[in-house]
Amino acid sequence: QKEVEQDPGPLSVPEGAIVSLNCTYSNSAFQYFMWYRQYSRKGPELLMYTYSSGNKEDGRFTAQVDKSSKYISLFIRDSQPSDSATYLCAMSGYGGSQGNLIFGKGTKLSVKP
Amino acid sequence: SAVISQKPSRDICQRGTSLTIQCQVDSQVTMMFWYRQQPGQSLTLIATANQGSEATYESGFVIDKFPISRPNLTFSTLTVSNMSPEDSSIYLCSVEEKWGANIQYFGAGTRLSVL
Repeated sequence: QKEVEQDPGPLSVPEGAIVSLNCTYSNSAFQYFMWYRQYSRKGPELLMYTYSSGNKEDGRFTAQVDKSSKYISLFIRDSQPSDSATYLCAMSGYGGSQGNLIFGKGTKLSVKP
Repeated sequence: SAVISQKPSRDICQRGTSLTIQCQVDSQVTMMFWYRQQPGQSLTLIATANQGSEATYESGFVIDKFPISRPNLTFSTLTVSNMSPEDSSIYLCSVEEKWGANIQYFGAGTRLSVL
């Protein structure tokens, strides 16, 4: 079993839809959870950062962490064509400068006008 | 967040040659990282580069194949040596801006094709 599982999609939704992106993980030591957005031919861009369990909201984006289920989600409300990108989840069990971010494979999202 | 510049943005190389990728940051950072992103695969950490010390390599990556330099707090290079077509990938550098948060910011990447 891989440490982080993420459905690669592709996921296609109409403009204005609510998008749900998910990752599951196996390592109960993970405490730091991140979502990155990566446009074609660009580097990953940090979207959301969450420590431990709970929800975090930033504009149209909401990140949820359920450590009991080892499941994290990113919700995008009122999706826009500009949200079309690959979304990567990442997580780590360490604070400090350990560099041990474990990434999912990414979900490719397409928002159609 | 820090601005990270990578050079070259892309290259096409011949088998057996080497390519050095540069990563420049607009502020001083302690930790810099090098990743590989292969099609359909997760980002994989190659090594961690601290200024003033030897790079720390992850399992499956060795210094002879991927030598790294970190001469100061704003710059690092990754060399892909004796390339084969299997080295065709995107190579990314990242930095950790704030110690303790384990939040990394990435450059745009170098797209390498080996013929």
